[in-house]
Amino acid sequence: NAGVTQTPKFRILKIGQSMTLQCTQDMNHNYMYWYRQDPGMGLKLIYYSVGAGITDKGEVPNGYNVSRSTTEDFPLRLELAAPSQTSVYFCASSSTRQGSTEKLFFGSGTQLSVL
Amino acid sequence: DAKTTQPNSMESNEEEPVHLPCNHSTISGTDYIHWYRQLPSQGPEYVIHGLTSNVNNRMASLAIAEDRKSSTLILHRATLRDAAVYYCILRVSGSARQLTFGSGTQLTVLP
Repeated sequence: NAGVTQTPKFRILKIGQSMTLQCTQDMNHNYMYWYRQDPGMGLKLIYYSVGAGITDKGEVPNGYNVSRSTTEDFPLRLELAAPSQTSVYFCASSSTRQGSTEKLFFGSGTQLSVL
Repeated sequence: DAKTTQPNSMESNEEEPVHLPCNHSTISGTDYIHWYRQLPSQGPEYVIHGLTSNVNNRMASLAIAEDRKSSTLILHRATLRDAAVYYCILRVSGSARQLTFGSGTQLTVLP
């Protein structure tokens, strides 16, 4: 079972560069999420999606964009990288079938440094 | 979203039970209580969840106070592999927005 797969695992960017963090899941989950985690802190929600073609902002969306063209994929785009975006990024997915009890499945994360 | 309060850190000896507390005094009647843990350099993983009754699974037990204002995650026999950050989270009923993670409890297991 692949579950939630994130690529790349590590990346170093220069200020002002752009990149896309990839996330794909093979569990046919409707809901997908992007979180960031700064050192010693909990996770903060960046964007989420409840299905193909539908996305919405989370707690910290500034500087990021997302798209959801298929059920499986939910890429996160950084257009103009800034040092404040240095963080570990986690993608997650969940099924909607169990209402409030559905659990999240997380990827292994992408460590991003902006220098 | 309702808030949770957890101790920043706890220690336990290997093979002893661990009780991780969580306060959620503003919980609403339909909020589920979820616990996740994050092992070093990994994404969070689901541990257990409950609404009103105590719950058991292969990983842990969840004890929920009668007034639901607090809960306790119980690891029956801590192992070194249980060393992780444990997050107590309220899942807002009917909300498409996902779980809000606080800073959690860092559990250290001593050999």
